[in-house]
Amino acid sequence: DTEVTQTPKHLVMGMTNKKSLKCEQHMGHRAMYWYKQKAKKPPELMFVYSYEKLSINESVPSRFSPECPNSSLLNLHLHALQPEDSALYLCASSQGLAGGPSNEQFFGPGTRLTVL
Amino acid sequence: QQQVKQSPQSLIVQKGGISIINCAYENTAFDYFPWYQQFPGKGPALLIAIRPDVSEKKEGRFTISFNKSAKQFSLHIMDSQPGDSATYFCAAQIINDYKLSFGAGTTVTVRA
Repeated sequence: DTEVTQTPKHLVMGMTNKKSLKCEQHMGHRAMYWYKQKAKKPPELMFVYSYEKLSINESVPSRFSPECPNSSLLNLHLHALQPEDSALYLCASSQGLAGGPSNEQFFGPGTRLTVL
Repeated sequence: QQQVKQSPQSLIVQKGGISIINCAYENTAFDYFPWYQQFPGKGPALLIAIRPDVSEKKEGRFTISFNKSAKQFSLHIMDSQPGDSATYFCAAQIINDYKLSFGAGTTVTVRA
């Protein structure tokens, strides 16, 4: 299985809502990532988990809260978002540093988030 | 500060033609250079990647050319097909780092 899955595919939420995005992989990867992508722009790294510990936080506002319950799952909890947070949120995974030199990142299909 | 510069922003090519996308980088510590293909509404998918110890890598109709001294690399799509119409991102990475530095992207349109 070489797939990263993400749910939901689409999400519309108000600025006072709390919602969560979910990501799952069964490739045995030990690094998982959250990216934000605006239209016609490259993905921007938000968070990296390595061996279920938060390794990188790219100065992301606290209204985004990541969680890694186990090595296969990654969540992104959303609260009090702003309309400018509307974007495609991508999850990715890679083997992880201890798994050898390969750092190929496999991306999921993304969640299209709209904040009203 | 964009660490990888990509050009052109967009290109249109006739079916059967060659698409060429160029990227340049400054950080000589980069040692892994992947290209991603992204269709509308989908996540990026790794297309082909190269390490700086080789000057060219070919996979089917896709070829990466790498010039270490010039700090440049390019993607050639031979015999372009309408199904190749997508956005292509070059990227660069230090192999033992998590961060990918993406180029700005090139939208390729292949006309039938």
